[in-house]
Amino acid sequence: DAGVIQSPRHEVTEMGQEVTLRCKPISGHNSLFWYRQTMMRGLELLIYFNNNVPIDDSGMPEDRFSAKMPNASFSTLKIQPSEPRDSAVYFCASRSTGASEQFFGPGTRLTVL
Amino acid sequence: RKEVEQDPGPFNVPEGATVAFNCTYSNSASQSFFWYRQDCRKEPKLLMSVYSSGNEDGRFTAQLNRASQYISLLIRDSKLSDSATYLCVVKDTGGFKTIFGAGTRLFVKA
Repeated sequence: DAGVIQSPRHEVTEMGQEVTLRCKPISGHNSLFWYRQTMMRGLELLIYFNNNVPIDDSGMPEDRFSAKMPNASFSTLKIQPSEPRDSAVYFCASRSTGASEQFFGPGTRLTVL
Repeated sequence: RKEVEQDPGPFNVPEGATVAFNCTYSNSASQSFFWYRQDCRKEPKLLMSVYSSGNEDGRFTAQLNRASQYISLLIRDSKLSDSATYLCVVKDTGGFKTIFGAGTRLFVKA
């Protein structure tokens, strides 16, 4: 079974550029989560979707960040414009209805120069 | 105050040792509790759920104290392969939002 798929795995970009991170959740899972992990702040929940609808985006740092889930099998997290302090590992996770366990993707390691 | 707090460690223990991690949470209405494990440069993975009566999975024992809003994880007979970061996780009453602690790093040495 394919797990959560994220792309790209690594992204290096320059300050001011637009960055788009992609996620394909596990088929049949109806909750999707975007997290950011840094040494300083640990694992932070940015936004989560249920049945493709954003439920809570209070973790999104600022207007430069946006997330979409156009269908059950795809989500994007966009940063525009990117800044060096956005450098982190971004994880996507999914979970099925009523289940406890979240399954994480391998993450995207973002470096903004 | 953070919603979920853990001692960041690191804990450095010899093989065969017993080690315990603690975690506190601020929302008394929280319903579900878990421990996740994260290896270096990898994604977090579920280690075990935490039940009110306490539960055990091999060398791992998890306990919950709702009155004190406290969760613990005990690892007996530590192995080198136990070296990782252990994340305390709390799920809110609505069932959607999951909050991760910052994690406790464990190093098991030969």
